[in-house]
Amino acid sequence: GDSVTQMEGPVTLSEEAFLTINCTYTATGYPSLFWYVQYPGEGLQLLLKATKADDKGSNKGFEATYRKETTSFHLEKGSVQVSDSAVYFCALGPSYGKLTFGQGTILTVHP
Amino acid sequence: EAGVTQFPSHSVIEKGQTVTLRCDPISGHDNLYWYRRVMGKEIKFLLHFVKESKQDESGMPNNRFLAERTGGTYSTLKVQPAELEDSGVYFCASSQEVVNTQYFGPGTRLTVL
Repeated sequence: GDSVTQMEGPVTLSEEAFLTINCTYTATGYPSLFWYVQYPGEGLQLLLKATKADDKGSNKGFEATYRKETTSFHLEKGSVQVSDSAVYFCALGPSYGKLTFGQGTILTVHP
Repeated sequence: EAGVTQFPSHSVIEKGQTVTLRCDPISGHDNLYWYRRVMGKEIKFLLHFVKESKQDESGMPNNRFLAERTGGTYSTLKVQPAELEDSGVYFCASSQEVVNTQYFGPGTRLTVL
């Protein structure tokens, strides 16, 4: 079945550092790929998405490219801020409606 | 436009009790989903409604869980009787079409003591 593997956290960075959170997937067919973010005390928010191979999703300075050859969708940001501290979830789907999530990566950014 | 709302935000109950969680999707969204995150693990799919019909309930863990969506608007998820392993955060999401982006609610944190 479908599955998503994220790099284990937590990830701790200083402000303005470069961020990469790795995400690889296993899926049948051609799923869409997503990054969702959960800020402290809030619900899940869609951060970015890509619907086909080689698409790049981007939002708020974050980027991820749908790499079919490596089955990856790594999240990157060139310069993180304290306000980026959150839990990040990689997901694929929808497969007949449902999303399949990774386990989440906690990011903490220090001033 | 109001987002997906969930009630309550937190619930603490004892083992054996009953709890009912509610989700109000975005107006006009026919597709409604329930997910659960247990103990910092991945978020897992529970079930999917299209209007009032259950499209997929393959993720429901057992028959202690009952989901309803009367009239195709809000949905409830009842756990009866609750067990310790039911503790976690229950998320609801909705989408206009099944292939569209799912919008999530803030979640209900359930603690079973």
